[in-house]
Amino acid sequence: EAQVTQNPRYLITVTGKKLTVTCSQNMNHEYMSWYRQDPGLGLRQIYYSMNVEVTDKGDVPEGYKVSRKEKRNFPLILESPSPNQTSLYFCASTVIGGDNEQFFGPGTRLTVL
Amino acid sequence: AQKITQTQPGMFVQEKEAVTLDCTYDTSDQSYGLFWYKQPSSGEMIFLIYQGSYDEQNATEGRYSLNFQKARKSANLVISASQLGDSAMYFCAMKGAPQGGKLIFGQGTELSVKP
Repeated sequence: EAQVTQNPRYLITVTGKKLTVTCSQNMNHEYMSWYRQDPGLGLRQIYYSMNVEVTDKGDVPEGYKVSRKEKRNFPLILESPSPNQTSLYFCASTVIGGDNEQFFGPGTRLTVL
Repeated sequence: AQKITQTQPGMFVQEKEAVTLDCTYDTSDQSYGLFWYKQPSSGEMIFLIYQGSYDEQNATEGRYSLNFQKARKSANLVISASQLGDSAMYFCAMKGAPQGGKLIFGQGTELSVKP
């Protein structure tokens, strides 16, 4: 089954404690990205990757890091989380170009106390 | 800059009636794509329908249709014969760059279907 998986689904942490949210896709997609969803703002792109070892900032990259060492995996790293990073996070993947649907993971609900 | 605007934060519709969710967009690109996603209370993003800027016919997928008016830069979602399971948040999105994969989202519309 074609899918994007994310872990954990729910996470409560404290300010400053480093965390990683994993993302994996099994569709051999080149393009992967992370979005955060906040009420009234819709989803906004944090970082994206167009292929292995190729990553770039999206619209709201501050406080986040990513890596793309393998095509299927695209982890999101919060080195020192802060309360304003409390949000719902989505990983997504798609084929580059064309009119292709973006496949979303199930979401990770993060609370930073 | 590209932008998606959804002006209806919340809407109610009676079961079995049709409902239109508004979406306007702004872009200087000649080629672009427009998407609608559904987000139920469980949180996942469910793809509903897609319209390409050069598609001459409005897209349809079952009970969903997209009323695409290019000159007005609108891409409204029409849900026919609403069901209780249609209660959810709905997002309109536009593909940000022809060779990329970024989606630009609107603020969302929360639809509630009344029995």
